[in-house]
Amino acid sequence: DGGITQSPKYLFRKEGQNVTLSCEQNLNHDAMYWYRQDPGQGLRLIYYSQIVNDFQKGDIAEGYSVSREKKESFPLTVTSAQKNPTAFYLCASTPTAHTEAFFGQGTRLTVV
Amino acid sequence: RKEVEQDPGPFNVPEGATVAFNCTYSNSASQSFFWYRQDCRKEPKLLMSVYSSGNEDGRFTAQLNRASQYISLLIRDSKLSDSATYLCVVNNRGNTPLVFGKGTRLSVIA
Repeated sequence: DGGITQSPKYLFRKEGQNVTLSCEQNLNHDAMYWYRQDPGQGLRLIYYSQIVNDFQKGDIAEGYSVSREKKESFPLTVTSAQKNPTAFYLCASTPTAHTEAFFGQGTRLTVV
Repeated sequence: RKEVEQDPGPFNVPEGATVAFNCTYSNSASQSFFWYRQDCRKEPKLLMSVYSSGNEDGRFTAQLNRASQYISLLIRDSKLSDSATYLCVVNNRGNTPLVFGKGTRLSVIA
């Protein structure tokens, strides 16, 4: 079945550590996105990529980094510069810029 | 003005009730509109796209008013399983990502 797979589902990070969240899709979608959601809040855009080897910052990119070396993969690294990383992270993809988004199941990151 | 604004929640309604959500958007050049449903601690899932002519899917009806820049979602005969957060989503012109509203929480009570 086609879809978006995020891993891990739950992730615990010590303060000062970098962690990488995985996002893989086999939908052959060009565009991929990372969102952050805090309790009771909406989705905020971290980074997005419309094509391989290219990506743009979203509204809250500070403390995060991404890469898009393959069409299927868009990993997100949460660096130690991100001061409040505890949140629910959602990866999404769209076939073009103006169509519906398909989401992975999310990664819940907690700093311990 | 925020790009996408939704009715403040939560909406607490009895089973069988009809409930309506409104959403306004600020960019008159917006092209695509969607309603998503998000259950607690889960990912958002597409409920329905919103077309200029309006569209209906069972108990759900979505309307778009471009002149006033708002979209609406009507849920008839509410079920307990309709309890969720409903997100209004807009896509603007050009290669820009979807813009999400903060969502409106619905609780259907027995």
